[in-house]
Amino acid sequence: GDSVTQMEGPVTLSEEAFLTINCTYTATGYPSLFWYVQYPGEGLQLLLKATKADDKGSNKGFEATYRKETTSFHLEKGSVQVSDSAVYFCALGTGGFKTIFGAGTRLFVKA
Amino acid sequence: DVKVTQSSRYLVKRTGEKVFLECVQDMDHENMFWYRQDPGLGLRLIYFSYDVKMKEKGDIPEGYSVSREKKERFSLILESASTNQTSMYLCASSPPLEKYEQYFGPGTRLTVT
Repeated sequence: GDSVTQMEGPVTLSEEAFLTINCTYTATGYPSLFWYVQYPGEGLQLLLKATKADDKGSNKGFEATYRKETTSFHLEKGSVQVSDSAVYFCALGTGGFKTIFGAGTRLFVKA
Repeated sequence: DVKVTQSSRYLVKRTGEKVFLECVQDMDHENMFWYRQDPGLGLRLIYFSYDVKMKEKGDIPEGYSVSREKKERFSLILESASTNQTSMYLCASSPPLEKYEQYFGPGTRLTVT
């Protein structure tokens, strides 16, 4: 069945470091892909999305490119801040009402 | 500012109790969802609703039921709480044409003792 696999955390970085969180997926058809972020004590928020191959989603300095050939949607940011500390979820929608979420990757950014 | 609110942030219940978790959204969204979030498992869909009085089972509906009598409100019911239902419960809503772009509430951390 459809699934999402993302790198295990926690990921610990110093402020201004480069961030990559890997995400790969298995899906039939042409899914839409998403990154959600969950800050401490809050629900998830949509961070960015891409709906077709080669689309690049971007928001708040984060980017991810929909790579159909490698079935990947890796999240990147050039310079992280302490305020980026959160849990990041990769997700896909393949039709119907179900969104399939990855297990989440916790990011800690040290000052 | 759009909002999804959940009735409690923390709840402690005893085994066998009937538990009600309430969710209200103010965005006039047709779609509403209940998930549980457990460490290492991500989010798992319990039930969803795409219209008033309509409901569909998600991946883990056993031990749960739902009610949607009004568009803005979606309730999750644990008929007889058990310790394995200790978890974080998240409610979400989405508009009809952007069903994967979900707005989440802050969650209810339920402990069943």
